Amino acid sequence: GAVVSQHPSRVICKSGTSVKIECRSLDFQATTMFWYRQFPKKSLMLMATSNEGSKATYEQGVEKDKFLINHASLTLSTLTVTSAHPEDSSFYICSARVPSGGLLTYEQYFGPGTRLTVT
Amino acid sequence: AQSVTQLDSHVSVSEGTPVLLRCNYSSSYSPSLFWYVQHPNKGLQLLLKYTSAATLVKGINGFEAEFKKSETSFHLTKPSAHMSDAAEYFCVVSVGMDTGRRALTFGSGTRLQVQP
Repeated sequence: GAVVSQHPSRVICKSGTSVKIECRSLDFQATTMFWYRQFPKKSLMLMATSNEGSKATYEQGVEKDKFLINHASLTLSTLTVTSAHPEDSSFYICSARVPSGGLLTYEQYFGPGTRLTVT
Repeated sequence: AQSVTQLDSHVSVSEGTPVLLRCNYSSSYSPSLFWYVQHPNKGLQLLLKYTSAATLVKGINGFEAEFKKSETSFHLTKPSAHMSDAAEYFCVVSVGMDTGRRALTFGSGTRLQVQP
């Protein structure tokens, strides 16, 4: 199946600094990627939809100026957490959408996630 | 709007006994339903999916799920649990014919513990 990677897998940063997380589709092109956030012992919550060559679509309550998303190529989307604070500490997961053969049918492949800790 | 309810946050079974993880969904349209598994410090892996074909869906690692429209359920089962099945399981819904085009809506997760 399709492989999605994320880098870094873990990052610790100081409060007030910015952190960039990369999501790559390794053996396929993805026009659409999704960014999710997972709190400890909680489910995944969609943050935004990243479309190659256009602005990301953010979910209600997600600050687009704080969580900057760039999808500059068909294999790479980045999430930058700007001016990070301890409450931004979380597990961030991306997924890439792939046509799965049927009419208008897609499948989503998930990256392994990035654990962000802000001190 | 669509939503998913996983009825048990934690399930514990003995190795070799059956597994049942319960999931109910709510959707205004015909849904596509998925089960994903997340092992500690690993990415989400698709176990199986229902996309309006056969109501009994077989997945990987011996898991299967049955779509019951009348009960709005999509419970995950396995005849015999293995130690390696211990993980977090998510029931997921996507609405519309363009399955997977939109982001997925995740249930709250069920942690499966397998006792030796």
